[in-house]
Amino acid sequence: ELKVEQNPLFLSMQEGKNYTIYCNYSTTSDRLYWYRQDPGKSLESLFVLLSNGAVKQEGRLMASLDTKARLSTLHITAAVHDLSATYFCAVDPYGGATNKLIFGTGTLLAVQP
Amino acid sequence: EAQVTQNPRYLITVTGKKLTVTCSQNMNHEYMSWYRQDPGLGLRQIYYSMNVEVTDKGDVPEGYKVSRKEKRNFPLILESPSPNQTSLYFCASGTGGFPLYGYTFGSGTRLTVV
Repeated sequence: ELKVEQNPLFLSMQEGKNYTIYCNYSTTSDRLYWYRQDPGKSLESLFVLLSNGAVKQEGRLMASLDTKARLSTLHITAAVHDLSATYFCAVDPYGGATNKLIFGTGTLLAVQP
Repeated sequence: EAQVTQNPRYLITVTGKKLTVTCSQNMNHEYMSWYRQDPGLGLRQIYYSMNVEVTDKGDVPEGYKVSRKEKRNFPLILESPSPNQTSLYFCASGTGGFPLYGYTFGSGTRLTVV
């Protein structure tokens, strides 16, 4: 069964702290996507990681991909309240043939002042 | 502005009354898809379309129909809605193959079937 597991599922952190969200997947995939979702809102694309060893950074967020370990990380540096949201990773296990994404269950991030 | 537009945003309906949720994109994307989001289950694909007149089932297609007569539109049809189809629905679009910039999602449709 294809699985995408994120941990933690819930993360409460203080402003200014660093933390990492982990995304493990059970199938081969050379592409991994990170999305952000605010409550009641749509999904916003954060990162598209296209190859093993890929690292992308945007502001306080940095994502990396290790296809051999089937692991992606989303690192948060010096968190601020505006980063509070649910973060999803997703993989495409069919090599783009169907453009089907398998999503993780999401990590709810709450940044406390 | 490049976007995926879904309508309606909110819908309450009764069991068995046919409904259609519309989805339209203005980016000339080949690929379109429908997902439903449920608490604890994440997002699951309902149907997808690789291009005009090309559609296929996703993971949870039962009770849904789609059509792709034009490249920009991909409506989701519930012929006889049931309460277990109460959910948050998202339409998404992207270029074919591996889109370099990810997929664009619509704003969502919150459907309640009573």
